[in-house]
This record gives sequence, structure tokens and C-alpha cells, in this order.
Amino acid sequence: GENVEQHPSTLSVQEGDSAVIKCTYSDSASNYFPWYKQELGKGPQLIIDIRSNVGEKKDQRIAVTLNKTAKHFSLHITETQPEDSAVYFCAASWEGNQGGKLIFGQGTELSVKP
Amino acid sequence: EAGVAQSPRYKIIEKRQSVAFWCNPISGHATLYWYQQILGQGPKLLIQFQNNGVVDDSQLPKDRFSAERLKGVDSTLKIQPAKLEDSAVYLCASSSERGAEQFFGPGTRLTVL
Repeated sequence: GENVEQHPSTLSVQEGDSAVIKCTYSDSASNYFPWYKQELGKGPQLIIDIRSNVGEKKDQRIAVTLNKTAKHFSLHITETQPEDSAVYFCAASWEGNQGGKLIFGQGTELSVKP
Repeated sequence: EAGVAQSPRYKIIEKRQSVAFWCNPISGHATLYWYQQILGQGPKLLIQFQNNGVVDDSQLPKDRFSAERLKGVDSTLKIQPAKLEDSAVYLCASSSERGAEQFFGPGTRLTVL
């Protein structure tokens, strides 16, 4: 069935360093890949997404890359700050009127030490 | 713009009891989702509504879980009877249409003793 693997499960970095989280998906029909940030006691919040017709997307300190052939996608956070500390989830889905269901990875707990 | 509202935020029940959760999506959003998030895992879709019709309930344990969205706006998710393994956070999300960005509510944390 559909599956998304996410690594690492925990990541600790010093403030100012970069953080990279990697995901692999199983369904080659997936064409939409969002990343969510979840803080304690809150619901997931979309921080960036990428579609299968794009290889890379950047928004300030956050960037995502997608390799459709290898079915890999990654989140890159540069110049990390303590407020970046949270659990990050990747997901795979399908756009359009047949889409909606998000298949989530297991999550990465990012800790940014001042 | 108001976000997705959920209530209650916390609920503690004993096994075999019943419980209901309520969700009010963002105004005008046609698609509504219920996800189950077990501690330390990513959310898993339980059911997806398009207006008041069910699009996907393939992972809903139908012997004990039920959900409805009668007027195509608010939704309720019910568990009867609850089991210990139902302890989780139940997240509601909505989107303007199928395949569009999903906005999540704060969730209801259920503890089954």
C-alpha cells in the first residue's frame, strides 16, 4: 500500500546550523508533497509544499527538493533558530479532484540548541 | 479568517465507553478530513468528506467508529465502544476542494483508561 518513510526520527543542531530531513514515498502516482510543522499541543501547519513538475522550491530559510525518479524528497532549513524546534512531517498526496488523502511520514523531532 | 475549530480539546474515558468529537471547518471549505495521530506517529486518515458525502473511509474501523457531516459544514466523529488503542489525538482538517491545501485544527486528545 501507500507508504512514506521519513528520516531521521530525531535531529539536534546548534543554532545557525542547517537541518535536513529526508523522505521516500512508495506510490509513483503521488504528485503533491507538503511539509508540516507541528508544535506541542497544536495541529500540523503547512510550511512549504512541492509539486511533481518542480524539482526544487525555496521560501526564505526553507527549501524542498524532489527526485521523482528515486521517489525521494527532502526539507532543508538553513540558519536554524530555536523557534524552529518542533516535529516536522512530510506527506505525499495527489492533486486535483481525485486527491486529498495525505500519507504522512513518521515525523522528525528537530531540536535547535541556542 | 477563523481556523478549524475542534472540541473538546481533551477527553478521558474508560474502555467500552462512548465519546464524540466535533469539528467546524473553515467557512466555505467543501472537503473535511478526520485523522488519527497516535503518539510518536504521523497522522493517519480515518475519513474524508466532500460536502456531506463520504469520499474515503477505507481506514475507518467501522465496527466502532462513525462520522457524519449532515449539512456539509460541521462534522462529528464518534467512537463506541472505545478501546485502549484508541488513545490518540484526533485531528480535523479542511480544504477548499479535493487536492487543495489542508488546514488542521488543534486536535482532541483522547485518553482511554
